[in-house]
Amino acid sequence: QQPVQSPQAVILREGEDAVINCSSSKALYSVHWYRQKHGEAPVFLMILLKGGEQKGHEKISASFNEKKQQSSLYLTASQLSYSGTYFCGTPGQTNTGNQFYFGTGTSLTVIP
Amino acid sequence: ETGVTQTPRHLVMGMTNKKSLKCEQHLGHNAMYWYKQSAKKPLELMFVYNFKEQTENNSVPSRFSPECPNSSHLFLHLHTLQPEDSALYLCASSQGHLSSYNEQFFGPGTRLTVL
Repeated sequence: QQPVQSPQAVILREGEDAVINCSSSKALYSVHWYRQKHGEAPVFLMILLKGGEQKGHEKISASFNEKKQQSSLYLTASQLSYSGTYFCGTPGQTNTGNQFYFGTGTSLTVIP
Repeated sequence: ETGVTQTPRHLVMGMTNKKSLKCEQHLGHNAMYWYKQSAKKPLELMFVYNFKEQTENNSVPSRFSPECPNSSHLFLHLHTLQPEDSALYLCASSQGHLSSYNEQFFGPGTRLTVL
């Protein structure tokens, strides 16, 4: 049930754009995005609740295609501070209760 | 203190030791979680507490034992661990249980090394 992210890693120069994809083999009812800088805690970026929804956070935005069971995170005019590992995640249910599945992660490095 | 705090930040223990990890959230949330983050693997949810009641245990070995004495504190008791248990252990909290709507706030983690 764990979402799969692509690419696994990307290196950008400052000012370049990037797209990170998150896809699931199961139905996605919402997608959460987090960023974790090296040696720090993951930090929440945004939640997308509905198919077709798009959101933005500074120059980082995301879209959610419910039918395709995927979400994409767009980073435009990247800054050095964008470096880190980006995770998508989605809630789920098991026999015993609530669950949360994080994706495989995408390492983003922005260089001057 | 603000947000979610964890102590200790680093821990080295032998396989026969007993130790505990502590988490405290200062956000007034009512749900808390333990995650394991191993190298090159996604975050794995280990335990879920809603209003101090454990609601999920994702087949975690019994050498990990959680405790939630109140809605602000969460412990992870460790005993007879294996080297493969070495990882970053993250605590998180949210207002309301795991769902589509609730963002999670994470602590900085405890880096555990089992020798």
